[in-house]
Amino acid sequence: EVQLLESGGGLVQPGGSLRLSCAASGFSFSNYAMAWVRQAPGKGLEWVSGITEVGGNTNYADSVKGRFTISRDNSKSTLFLQMSSLRAEDTAVYYCAKDEILVAGVWDFDSWGQGILVTVSS
Amino acid sequence: DIVMTQSPLSLPVTPGEPASISCRSSQSLLHSSGHNCLDWYLQRPGQSPQLLIYLGSNRASGVPDRFSGSGSGTDFTLKISRVEADDVGVYYCMQGLQTPPSFGQGTKLEIK
Repeated sequence: EVQLLESGGGLVQPGGSLRLSCAASGFSFSNYAMAWVRQAPGKGLEWVSGITEVGGNTNYADSVKGRFTISRDNSKSTLFLQMSSLRAEDTAVYYCAKDEILVAGVWDFDSWGQGILVTVSS
Repeated sequence: DIVMTQSPLSLPVTPGEPASISCRSSQSLLHSSGHNCLDWYLQRPGQSPQLLIYLGSNRASGVPDRFSGSGSGTDFTLKISRVEADDVGVYYCMQGLQTPPSFGQGTKLEIK
């Protein structure tokens, strides 16, 4: 059974930093691209960042480009999101999502973590 | 970036009745492979999103056959043949053809 378990969230002041982790199990982590998707309180889903299987290619939403860094440690089956220069509008539940390999280069999220809340407030 | 537009945004349905949600994209989602790169997700209250339909019309594992997806190019539809109480939640379409992948605003299905 695929499991994705996020950690590292919490309350942080504007301008601060936070590092999210997503521990994966139940599948061959190094064979799949991964992504972070967030959901602000009462709002819809917003893709934040994605990374290819071996981490050679990363992408970011314009809203976080230059402030967030996605990475992965395939030896530990763990996905990361380093967030810096945090703003109030980054407040959201952050989900780790696994990209199923259906069509090369096409995103399909077949498994999601339970989500972790990040609150940016003074 | 591709913009996804769903309608309606709110959908009250009587149990046992059918339901339909429309999703339109600002660009064609037809991949060179012939697949339409459109997924449907359901987020039940207090839960994470789950994949319902992938590549336009394929049910994900464990999804009841009451759910079906159709459409091509820029116009897509999710249909529920007979709504049950467990179908309550917010339904999102998502295009995965281009990065960044983008979601529709969501359609909240509620039971009358």
